[in-house]
Amino acid sequence: SQTIHQWPATLVQPVGSPLSLECTVEGTSNPNLYWYRQAAGRGLQLLFYSVGIGQISSEVPQNLSASRPQDRQFILSSKKLLLSDSGFYLCAWRLPSGAGYNEQFFGPGTRLTVL
Amino acid sequence: AQKVTQAQTEISVVEKEDVTLDCVYETRDTTYYLFWYKQPPSGELVFLIRRNSFDEQNEISGRYSWNFQKSTSSFNFTITASQVVDSAVYFCALSGRGGSQGNLIFGKGTKLSVKP
Repeated sequence: SQTIHQWPATLVQPVGSPLSLECTVEGTSNPNLYWYRQAAGRGLQLLFYSVGIGQISSEVPQNLSASRPQDRQFILSSKKLLLSDSGFYLCAWRLPSGAGYNEQFFGPGTRLTVL
Repeated sequence: AQKVTQAQTEISVVEKEDVTLDCVYETRDTTYYLFWYKQPPSGELVFLIRRNSFDEQNEISGRYSWNFQKSTSSFNFTITASQVVDSAVYFCALSGRGGSQGNLIFGKGTKLSVKP
């Protein structure tokens, strides 16, 4: 069966510091991968998605970036965090396009607080 | 453009009451998929159900049931005999057929509180 991991679970960082959040998926190959952010009490905002190694699509311009160095690894980064980057970050995977019905499966999330 | 509207921001019920969460969608695709997710206080989104646009049959899973009506572009979710463990934020989502259209478009969610 497939599992998705995210770490760290919680993170408190000062403004201006760098960020690296990691997501890995097990039990599937060539998944589509997604990063979402959820601000407190609000809906889900798609940040990035990837259909393969090195292929990143950005949905919202901001000071965040994403990379996919391996098939089942997805990393969210920032060189300098802003207060507005605080939120709950969720990674998700789904089967490759055409291989399923588009449902995404989510990881446990990382709660980021920028002070 | 695709859009999902969950007009109910918050709902509060007492345990054992039935509750219906509304979802209205907009799409120009003829083939599309609809989803419901549950987000308990722990934060992880849990996939509940997927329906495709060709199948308007209602579905029941235990205390959960879903009513899909293309004529009104709605995909409503009913919890029968609600329990405290049903307290969560529920998201309705829509996707098209493939490519970036296969990405999920989420509603803003409905927060359900079930009180004992």
